[in-house]
Order: sequence, then C-alpha cells, then structure tokens
Amino acid sequence: SSELTQDPAVSVALGQTVRITCQGDSLTTYRANWFQQKAGQAPLLVISGKNKRPPGIPDRFSGANSGNTASLIITGAQAEDEADYYCNSRDSGPDHWVFGGGTKLTVL
Amino acid sequence: QVQLVQSGPEVKKPGASVKVSCQTSGYHFLSYGLSWVRQAPGQGFEWMGWTSAYNGNTNYAQKFEGRVTMTTDTSSSTAYMELGSLRSDDTAVYYCVRDSISFLYGLVLDYWGQGTRVIVSS
Repeated sequence: SSELTQDPAVSVALGQTVRITCQGDSLTTYRANWFQQKAGQAPLLVISGKNKRPPGIPDRFSGANSGNTASLIITGAQAEDEADYYCNSRDSGPDHWVFGGGTKLTVL
Repeated sequence: QVQLVQSGPEVKKPGASVKVSCQTSGYHFLSYGLSWVRQAPGQGFEWMGWTSAYNGNTNYAQKFEGRVTMTTDTSSSTAYMELGSLRSDDTAVYYCVRDSISFLYGLVLDYWGQGTRVIVSS
C-alpha cells in the first residue's frame, strides 16, 4: 500500500499560524482528511478532503492541497489545539485507506 | 446524532480470537460501510478492512487476510470484527469507523467509535 509522510513534531506560539504537512503518492489522486487525537481519546475529523469542517470544528482549521502534499493550517492556534494530528487518504493501491504517522503539535 | 459504541476491553492469550462489536445509531445503517482501524500503543493508525452494511461485502487489508472476519447485523445496526490467531503485536486499540462518501465531505472516515483496547499476553 501507499505511504503518507508527516513531520513527527511541530510547535507554534499561542495565537500564531501553523502548517502541518502530509506527503504521499496517493495525494495526487485522492485528497487528504485530517484528524485530531488527544491523549486517550478517539480521533476527531477536523478537515475533510474537500476542505470542509464538520459541525463544531472552529474555522481556524483549514486545509490545502498541492500535488502530492496536503496541509492542515491552524490560523491563530489555541492551547486546546495541542494534540496529535493525522492525515489520511484513500489508497491508490488495494487497501482502502492509508494514514500518515502523525504530527505532535505543541502550542507554546 | 451519529454514534458508534464499541464493546469493552479484552485480554486474550496468544493464539486465541477476539470479537469486537460496534453498535451504531443516528444514521441509516445500510447506507454506509464500516472500516476497522487499529492503533498499537504509541503508534499511528493501521487500516484493517471494510465491510458494506448493505450487502456484507468485505475488503480486508492484505496483512490481515485469513485472520480477520468482518460482519454486520442489520437487525441491530451492529458491526463485528473478529481477529484470530492473536499475537502479542496485535495488542492495540481497535476502532470501528463509518466509511462515508458524500457530496459535501468527499471520501472520509467521519465518525469513530470510542475504541476497544485488546491486550494479548500470556
């Protein structure tokens, strides 16, 4: 199956903008979804591949796509945004879904 | 509201099987598929397979072929995942996830169960 690559850790100052990236061959065909996971909790969809936020997700979360790279952008990061973020997309191979390894976001 | 409620934690010995249930509510069960995804301790996510609630069709990740069975019970809107020949590296949290195709959101795993912790230990 395909692979999605994320930076293991990213930090951002409170109130600043941060971009979390995800690279992979499958992203040239399928768009990435983004999930937030806090310790001990199930993942929460924050941005879909069509750059849509589910109900309840703040509008400071947005997505962008270019070639084989997808980005999750948090504009004005808040303390509660500190979490692990995972990208995923349909797989261009036989599997349905592939996931990135996750990015740990620290809000300073 | 959409809910996926999974069965409780399990402790199994190597070589045994485990069956995890996922009771759904708040949406039309037959209109969506369900994927199962696992997360080993401190690790990322691994897609295990998918089942159609409509007709029971399945598609398993190659890694789990022959060892996993995914089923649904339309009368109770419940999905099941059974994993056999358990090994210590099957220790993980197992999630059922609604597998959605929508005009608004596209292809997406949009709702997740709370997870079921499975520990495999002798």
